[in-house]
Amino acid sequence: DAKTTQPPSMDCAEGRAANLPCNHSTISGNEYVYWYRQIHSQGPQYIIHGLKNNETNEMASLIITEDRKSSTLILPHATLRDTAVYYCIVRAPHDNSGGSNYKLTFGKGTLLTVNP
Amino acid sequence: AAGVIQSPRHLIKEKRETATLKCYPIPRHDTVYWYQQGPGQDPQFLISFYEKMQSDKGSIPDRFSAQQFSDYHSELNMSSLELGDSALYFCASSSWTSGRGYNEQFFGPGTRLTVL
Repeated sequence: DAKTTQPPSMDCAEGRAANLPCNHSTISGNEYVYWYRQIHSQGPQYIIHGLKNNETNEMASLIITEDRKSSTLILPHATLRDTAVYYCIVRAPHDNSGGSNYKLTFGKGTLLTVNP
Repeated sequence: AAGVIQSPRHLIKEKRETATLKCYPIPRHDTVYWYQQGPGQDPQFLISFYEKMQSDKGSIPDRFSAQQFSDYHSELNMSSLELGDSALYFCASSSWTSGRGYNEQFFGPGTRLTVL
């Protein structure tokens, strides 16, 4: 799996957009970009994933550069409950080969602190 | 919606004792993953099972073993416990047959193991 690089910490004001960057310059053509977050001592939570197109769901938006070497997770209106460690993970997609070898490799992540 | 259930939530053991952690995946999920998160560290993959067979193995000590049963629940058995085994242990489940075509892992709340 490709290695990712994220800033160790970021701050954001409540109600403002939080933009979390991730570099993955060695990403392969079939690897997806996944984002998970972990609120203190809770189990990690899936946020969003994408291959090359920008993606949006009820939680966030994912912007992937055209060369796919970096991406940005956007929380459009951050709340205090969004304070968490955000992990960018690059990994091959799940296919119908039987669910093997799809572990998540967590890097250092970004601690996002949303301030009132 | 049903989530991943882990038991017990907290466990205190003495050195050299044994411990058994249990995980009940989301119904109809066919894959279970175990992760270990030490104090101040990121989650690290230990082992996974697909359809009751071991599918992948990470940095799991030889003192640990795990299995997935016919009802898809999984148990992580830990023997000769050491102080360094004190950590949060997360179980996650997934299903490629969920219809969404990707492998989102759903994490349980974790078991906090303290070895004294």
